[in-house]
Amino acid sequence: GESVGLHLPTLSVQEGDNSIINCAYSNSASDYFIWYKQESGKGPQFIIDIRSNMDKRQGQRVTVLLNKTVKHLSLQIAATQPGDSAVYFCAENEETSGSRLTFGEGTQLTVNP
Amino acid sequence: NAGVTQTPKFQVLKTGQSMTLQCAQDMNHNSMYWYRQDPGMGLRLIYYSASEGTTDKGEVPNGYNVSRLNKREFSLRLESAAPSQTSVYFCASSEVGSGSGELFFGEGSRLTVL
Repeated sequence: GESVGLHLPTLSVQEGDNSIINCAYSNSASDYFIWYKQESGKGPQFIIDIRSNMDKRQGQRVTVLLNKTVKHLSLQIAATQPGDSAVYFCAENEETSGSRLTFGEGTQLTVNP
Repeated sequence: NAGVTQTPKFQVLKTGQSMTLQCAQDMNHNSMYWYRQDPGMGLRLIYYSASEGTTDKGEVPNGYNVSRLNKREFSLRLESAAPSQTSVYFCASSEVGSGSGELFFGEGSRLTVL
């Protein structure tokens, strides 16, 4: 079946370094790819999304890259801060499904001071 | 604004008991969702409501029922709880036509079934 997954379950970085979180997907019909951040004990929070006809989108300190050839999505966080420590989920969505997202398993990002 | 509010935040049930998780949003969103999250896993969709008066099954609907009471409220009911339903439940809402998938989540309801 269709699925969205992540390459690594954990990632540890030093404060100030750049972080890269990866995601593989298999649904070629997805129209949007989305990144969510989930802090401990809280609900997921939208970070950034990218439409399938784009290959790069930048936000504040974050960049999402999409490679449809190899069905790969990544989230880059610049100058990682302790407040970035969280679980990061990628998700995919087909517009025809409304906003019924399919989530990956998540990557735990730990930022060391 | 409170956003998406879920109650209760914690609940312990015995096998076979029933309970209802409540969810309310104050963002005037048309669409609402119930997800469950199990340890080390992503979120899986249980039920969703695209608009007031409609509900549809998601990926894992067995053992659950939902009610879209009005535009603001969407409840999830476990009629006969099972240990396999031990999980964290998240309610979410979104703008209609928000194809990008920006959902607004509540803080979660942590359910343990003994």
